[in-house]
Amino acid sequence: AQTVTQSQPEMSVQEAETVTLSCTYDTSESDYYLFWYKQPPSRQMILVIRQEAYKQQNATENRFSVNFQKAAKSFSLKISDSQLGDAAMYFCAYRSRFGNEKLTFGTGTRLTIIP
Amino acid sequence: NAGVTQTPKFRVLKTGQSMTLLCAQDMNHEYMYWYRQDPGMGLRLIHYSVGEGTTAKGEVPDGYNVSRLKKQNFLLGLESAAPSQTSVYFCASSPPRQGISSGANVLTFGAGSRLTVL
Repeated sequence: AQTVTQSQPEMSVQEAETVTLSCTYDTSESDYYLFWYKQPPSRQMILVIRQEAYKQQNATENRFSVNFQKAAKSFSLKISDSQLGDAAMYFCAYRSRFGNEKLTFGTGTRLTIIP
Repeated sequence: NAGVTQTPKFRVLKTGQSMTLLCAQDMNHEYMYWYRQDPGMGLRLIHYSVGEGTTAKGEVPDGYNVSRLKKQNFLLGLESAAPSQTSVYFCASSPPRQGISSGANVLTFGAGSRLTVL
């Protein structure tokens, strides 16, 4: 079974600075997808970014980018120019490419933005 | 376009009572899921369905039952609620499998239902 580990329960960053959230995962599969979800105080789960394991290029969405290290099974999220609206819980998640339809989540990192 | 709608949003139960959470999606998604979220434990999969009339157990299925009689609805039932089932419950849905890249299909989540069992 796949597992996802987020070792930072809480992080904080000054507004306009850059912060990196860590995620590692364990799998025996070679093809899979990785996701970062954001959960603001409203509780709504919002997709931030996704990465296809067979693509070497790191995904980027505006101020959000990932550092995907397949051999190390690492998938960190970098937030540049942090804004107050980025304050939220961030969850890393894994999904198999074939067969298994489930999305497996890490335990989350609570990000605080300091004005 | 409502997306994924969960009802009710809040509920307080006494131990031993039963209840049903309803999830409805209007996106013609094949796959539907029920997760629970507890502090420090992230989201854990309770049950899921890959199509109308089919259900499967997830990571933490004990104490819950589900039904998918209609494609757009996925019901989560608690037959005899226990305090350990106090949690926030999320329903999600995902598009149908379309070729080899379907794993990239994003889950769309409902707004969550907070359940307290006294």
